[in-house]
Amino acid sequence: QSALTQPASVSGSPGQSITISCTGTSSDVGGYNYVSWYQQHPGKAPKLMIYEVSNRPSGVPDRFSGSKSGNTASLTISGLQAEDEADYYCSSYTSSSTWVFGGGTKLTVL
Amino acid sequence: QVQLQESGPGLVKPSETLSLTCTVSGGSISSYYWSWIRQPAGKGLEWIGRIYTSGSTNYNPSLKSRVTMSVDTSKNQFSLKLSSVTAADTAVYYCARVGGNYGFGYWGQGTLVTVSS
Repeated sequence: QSALTQPASVSGSPGQSITISCTGTSSDVGGYNYVSWYQQHPGKAPKLMIYEVSNRPSGVPDRFSGSKSGNTASLTISGLQAEDEADYYCSSYTSSSTWVFGGGTKLTVL
Repeated sequence: QVQLQESGPGLVKPSETLSLTCTVSGGSISSYYWSWIRQPAGKGLEWIGRIYTSGSTNYNPSLKSRVTMSVDTSKNQFSLKLSSVTAADTAVYYCARVGGNYGFGYWGQGTLVTVSS
């Protein structure tokens, strides 16, 4: 299975919005609504931010939102804050009953 | 609050077997899927495999020939064995719980395993 495709980096100023894309295939992202997104700060474990494409776990700010169109999922962060600077990873369940991650995107808050 | 803690040797020799255990506290290990995920320094996350409390497993095809996962419900633990390791297996290894939403909602803090002679 191949890793999902994410941009290596994105950046934005405080208060702005950014979107991170995650492209897979019909065997993973396009085939299931089991796309999730994770935030990882340096030296820390990843934290689930979005599950089932667009749902937020309790405690995750509503500035974080997710969507999907075809084989591409997206994470949007609105009203960027300094603490949002981190690495972000998408993940999808696959037709082989496995999971696949994206390569990760480094978000820089300017 | 569910907590996960990885344990095991931090240094493994090439060609030997890496063995890690994840201890679950604050909740029962039963009726959930549990996964291992790794991350080489400066690189992305790689899913290794999952195990259900019945013992059924699914593994990453790229690692399948070398991976064995097991579960001990009496100890609230599950384990990972990765055989014939090389330097490419050097990584931080995380254990995680798979939710009914197919997301990894709970993670251990991670443990660094270095493969070196």
